[in-house]
Amino acid sequence: QVQLVQSGAEVEEPGASLKVSCKTSGYTFTNYAVHWVRQAPGQRLEWMGWINADNGDTKYSQRFQGRVTITRDTSASTVYMELRSLRSEDTAVYYCARRSSENFDYWGQGTLVTVSS
Amino acid sequence: QSALTQPASVSGSPGQSITISCTGTSSDVGNYDLVSWYQQHPGKAPKLMIYDVSKRPSGVANRFSGSKSGNTASLTISGLQAEDEADYYCCSYAGTTTYVFGTGTRVTVL
Repeated sequence: QVQLVQSGAEVEEPGASLKVSCKTSGYTFTNYAVHWVRQAPGQRLEWMGWINADNGDTKYSQRFQGRVTITRDTSASTVYMELRSLRSEDTAVYYCARRSSENFDYWGQGTLVTVSS
Repeated sequence: QSALTQPASVSGSPGQSITISCTGTSSDVGNYDLVSWYQQHPGKAPKLMIYDVSKRPSGVANRFSGSKSGNTASLTISGLQAEDEADYYCCSYAGTTTYVFGTGTRVTVL
C-alpha cells in the first residue's frame, strides 16, 4: 500500500534551518510528484512547493521562494524539504503529499516543527 | 496568491444536507476544473474527498459531492453523519504548476 512516512518532530531556534524527510513506499517513486504543505497551529493548510520525483524539477510558492529547497533521493524513494532562516511564524505541522493528476491523494503523517529560543 | 475563501463554519443536524462554498478568482477556481476537497479530523492528516471538481475517490461515501459555477466551487454533504464533523479545505490549481488552498470550514454536527 502507498505510504509516506515523515521524520520526527523538531525544535529549532530562530535563524536556524530545518530539514524534514518523507520516505515513500508502495508505488513507483519517479511516477509521481511530491508536494509540501504546512499548517500553523489552528490555521489553514498552506501550499509550499513540489518536486518532480523523476527529473528533480521544483516549483515553490512565492511566499517561500528563496527560503525553501525541496530535493529527492531516488535510490531511497525519499523527498526532503529544507526551510532556512526560521522564525517563530514557521512553527507548524509540515506535511508531504503525493500528487495524482492535480490533487493530493496520499499524505504523510505530518512533522511538528517548533521554532523557539 | 491569496487563499480561496470559505465560510469559517457550517453546521447541520444528522441527516440534513450542508454545502460549503469555496470562492476564488478567474486565475484559479474559475479557470480550471481542478478543484479538490479535503477532510481533516483534529490531529490527523488531510484526506482527499473530491477531485476534479466533482469526482469521488474510491472509498469515499457518495454522500459527498462537488460542483462549480464560475469562480465558486461547492462541497455538499448529504445525509450528514456524526463522523463528518471535521475541517474541510478546498484546493485549486492556480496555473504555472502552483496550487492554493482555501481558508477552511469547520463542520459541526448538531
